[in-house]
Amino acid sequence: DAKTTQPPSMDCAEGRAANLPCNHSTISGNEYVYWYRQIHSQGPQYIIHGLKNNETNEMASLIITEDRKSSTLILPHATLRDTAVYYCIVRVAGGGADGLTFGKGTHLIIQP
Amino acid sequence: GAVVSQHPSWVICKSGTSVKIECRSLDFQATTMFWYRQFPKQSLMLMATSNEGSKATYEQGVEKDKFLINHASLTLSTLTVTSAHPEDSSFYICSAPLLGQGRDNYGYTFGSGTRLTVV
Repeated sequence: DAKTTQPPSMDCAEGRAANLPCNHSTISGNEYVYWYRQIHSQGPQYIIHGLKNNETNEMASLIITEDRKSSTLILPHATLRDTAVYYCIVRVAGGGADGLTFGKGTHLIIQP
Repeated sequence: GAVVSQHPSWVICKSGTSVKIECRSLDFQATTMFWYRQFPKQSLMLMATSNEGSKATYEQGVEKDKFLINHASLTLSTLTVTSAHPEDSSFYICSAPLLGQGRDNYGYTFGSGTRLTVV
């Protein structure tokens, strides 16, 4: 799986958009970008994933650069409950024979 | 959606005793289950992979005789920490892959975790 780089921490004001960057310059053509988050003392939660097109769901938007070397997760209207560690992971979709390799992620703190 | 139910959510045990953690897939069949361990302020580390009906595979440095994994059915995998010691105190999390097709593959679903404290 390609390596990812994320800032260790970020702050965002409640109600504003939180933009979390991720660099994955060695991503392969068949690797997807997945985002998970882990709220304190809970298991990780799937947020969104994409290959090359931008994606949006009820939780977030994912913007992937044209060269696919980086991406941004956008939480459009952050709430206090969005405070969590966010993990950007790149891997091939399907399969499921291997576990995930988690980096250190970004600790997003939403300020009231 | 696919849910993995993990129990107990927390447990305190005495040093030298064994603790069993269960993970059940509630509305799907999990032929594979992954077990992770997370120490405070650290990321999740994969410990082992269990496959229904066969022996688990362990990551380097994880003692298979200490962390016994059983995956006897398509909906239940268990992790038993044997002869627990204070250094085994950690947050244990199970996970199952969601084997959809193409972009419908959401990757993995996770249990809620078990906080183990060995005293």
